[in-house]
Amino acid sequence: KAGVTQTPRYLIKTRGQQVTLSCSPISGHRSVSWYQQTPGQGLQFLFEYFSETQRNKGNFPGRFSGRQFSNSRSEMNVSTLELGDSALYLCASSWGTGSTNEKLFFGSGTQLSVL
Amino acid sequence: GIQVEQSPPDLILQEGANSTLRCNFSDSVNNLQWFHQNPWGQLINLFYIPSGTKQNGRLSATTVATERYSLLYISSSQTTDSGVYFCAVERTGGSNYKLTFGKGTLLTVNP
Repeated sequence: KAGVTQTPRYLIKTRGQQVTLSCSPISGHRSVSWYQQTPGQGLQFLFEYFSETQRNKGNFPGRFSGRQFSNSRSEMNVSTLELGDSALYLCASSWGTGSTNEKLFFGSGTQLSVL
Repeated sequence: GIQVEQSPPDLILQEGANSTLRCNFSDSVNNLQWFHQNPWGQLINLFYIPSGTKQNGRLSATTVATERYSLLYISSSQTTDSGVYFCAVERTGGSNYKLTFGKGTLLTVNP
């Protein structure tokens, strides 16, 4: 069974540009979450989607947005990039049904560098 | 929001040694998971353990929910155990899909 797939693995952008990151969850998983990892702030929750609807949201500005498609694949978008947006962006998937022992499975991440 | 503190922040071991990593949290939780991030950045789920004890090979974990802490035990450590270990929680009444992570414990296992 394939794991969580994130593309691209690396991205270099300049300030002011926008970027779109993609995540394909494990087959059958309907919940997709996004996290930002930086050396200073650690791992922080961005948002979570379930059945094409944003179900949970973290404390990030509106420049960070996402969406989920009917096949559960998800994209996140960052507009008007700032230097501080440089980070490892991690996507995680799970069944999404709130059942006991429901683990979160992460992809390898997209390393975004903003110059 | 809920606070998660992990200790120690850094740990250096010789291969074959045992270790205990600790995670303290500030509120009751309905979800607690341990992860290992390898040197390539991949986060691997080790345990889902909001309470009780679980074992998986050389690893085991115990969560004492009433006292708001969890422990991760690594026995007979190997160099491949190196990396950062994270504890992540969601407080009781919250969503299971919005985890708060601790800062992690950086483990280095030397041959």
